[in-house]
Amino acid sequence: EDQVTQSPEALRLQEGESSSLNCSYTVSGLRGLFWYRQDPGKGPEFLFTLYSAGEEKEKERLKATLTKKESFLHITAPKPEDSATYLCAVQAGYGGSQGNLIFGKGTKLSVKP
Amino acid sequence: DSGVTQTPKHLITATGQRVTLRCSPRSGDLSVYWYQQSLDQGLQFLIQYYNGEERAKGNILERFSAQQFPDLHSELNLSSLELGDSALYFCASSASRGQFTDTQYFGPGTRLTVL
Repeated sequence: EDQVTQSPEALRLQEGESSSLNCSYTVSGLRGLFWYRQDPGKGPEFLFTLYSAGEEKEKERLKATLTKKESFLHITAPKPEDSATYLCAVQAGYGGSQGNLIFGKGTKLSVKP
Repeated sequence: DSGVTQTPKHLITATGQRVTLRCSPRSGDLSVYWYQQSLDQGLQFLIQYYNGEERAKGNILERFSAQQFPDLHSELNLSSLELGDSALYFCASSASRGQFTDTQYFGPGTRLTVL
C-alpha cells in the first residue's frame, strides 16, 4: 500500500536553530515527491518537487533532499515566519493510486523568537 | 496567491442537506482535483477531472459527486450531509493530464460545518 509518514508530528525551534523534517514513503514507482507549506485555515502552498534519488532543491532557508526511501526538508536558521505545517506528498507511477497525490499528516513547525 | 479560486469560504448547514462547492482553476490549467482535509485524516484525494472528463477517483463517498464544465470550472456536490463531513475542502489545479508529474496548486479552501 502506498503511504507517507512524516516525523516529527510537531517541532519547536528557537529562531536560528536549524533542524530537519523527515518524510518516509512507500510507493509503487515514485513519479515525484512534493513539499508544501500550509498555514492554519489556508490552502497548501507549493515549495518543491523532487523526482529522483540524489536530487536536491533550495529556496531561501529551505532545502529538500531525496533518497530512495525518504526525503528531508532542512531548515537553516529559521525565523518565526517559517512557522507552519509542512506537508509531504508522493505521486505513484502505477498501481491503484497511480497519478494521485498521497499526503503525509504533516509536521507542525513552531519557531520562537 | 496560487491563482485557484474557491467559493464559498465558509459554509454552515444541517445534517441531511446538500451543498455545492465551486472551484475555478488557474488560467490554462486543464486538470482539477478535489481534496478533503479533516483533523484526524489529513489531506485525502477525492476526485480528478481533466478537460471535462473524470480521470481518477480516490476516497470519494457515493453521496459526493463532481463535474467540470466547458469553461473548466468545477463543482463538488455533497448530499445527505453527516456530521463527519465537516472538514476543509480544497480544490487544486495543474496543467497535466494526470499521466505526467506536474505540480498541483491549491486554492484557499471551503470550510464546511455540518450541524
